Amino acid sequence: KAGVTQTPRYLIKTRGQQVTLSCSPISGHRSVSWYQQTPGQGLQFLFEYFSETQRNKGNFPGRFSGRQFSNSRSEMNVSTLELGDSALYLCASGQGLQETQYFGPGTRLLVL
Amino acid sequence: SQELEQSPQSLIVQEGKNLTINCTSSKTLYGLYWYKQKYGEGLIFLMMLQKGGEEKSHEKITAKLDEKKQQSSLHITASQPSHAGIYLCGADIGGAQKLVFGQGTRLTINP
Repeated sequence: KAGVTQTPRYLIKTRGQQVTLSCSPISGHRSVSWYQQTPGQGLQFLFEYFSETQRNKGNFPGRFSGRQFSNSRSEMNVSTLELGDSALYLCASGQGLQETQYFGPGTRLLVL
Repeated sequence: SQELEQSPQSLIVQEGKNLTINCTSSKTLYGLYWYKQKYGEGLIFLMMLQKGGEEKSHEKITAKLDEKKQQSSLHITASQPSHAGIYLCGADIGGAQKLVFGQGTRLTINP
């Protein structure tokens, strides 16, 4: 089976812009989670979707949003980008609750 | 404060030596995951532990979850250069599909 794929792999934006990141889960996986990784804060949970519904949400401002499509693919959107949003954004997919999450290669976002 | 504390934060060992990384929580862990990450890349799943006292091994890596399900250790036997990277423990503390992670342990293997 193909692994979790994320696009794009690298992205450069300027403050105030918005960005959309995409994640395709492993075939058959219905849960998709998003994480932000920075040197200062480490790996932090953003949100999780299952069957097109957001089940869990982390402590991030409303500028961070996401959605999941019927084919389980997910997108994450960040509006009004700030310098502090520069990070590696990781997507993980799993079959359900308390099942292993498998991570994609990540999208590295740089905000100038 | 971190919900998961990893120690040590950094580890340098000579090739062939054994090493242990610890992961501690003040709360009961519903599931404990160990991942490995090469710098700037995605996380590679190593092992998942769910039951108190559980121990799993894969090649030269062994992970254990204590009886109280609040501490886990990752042990590498006869380390090799391929073991170098950042090791992260992640835990499902709330019982939902929401993992919290430790700060990571950066492992360097010297020849």
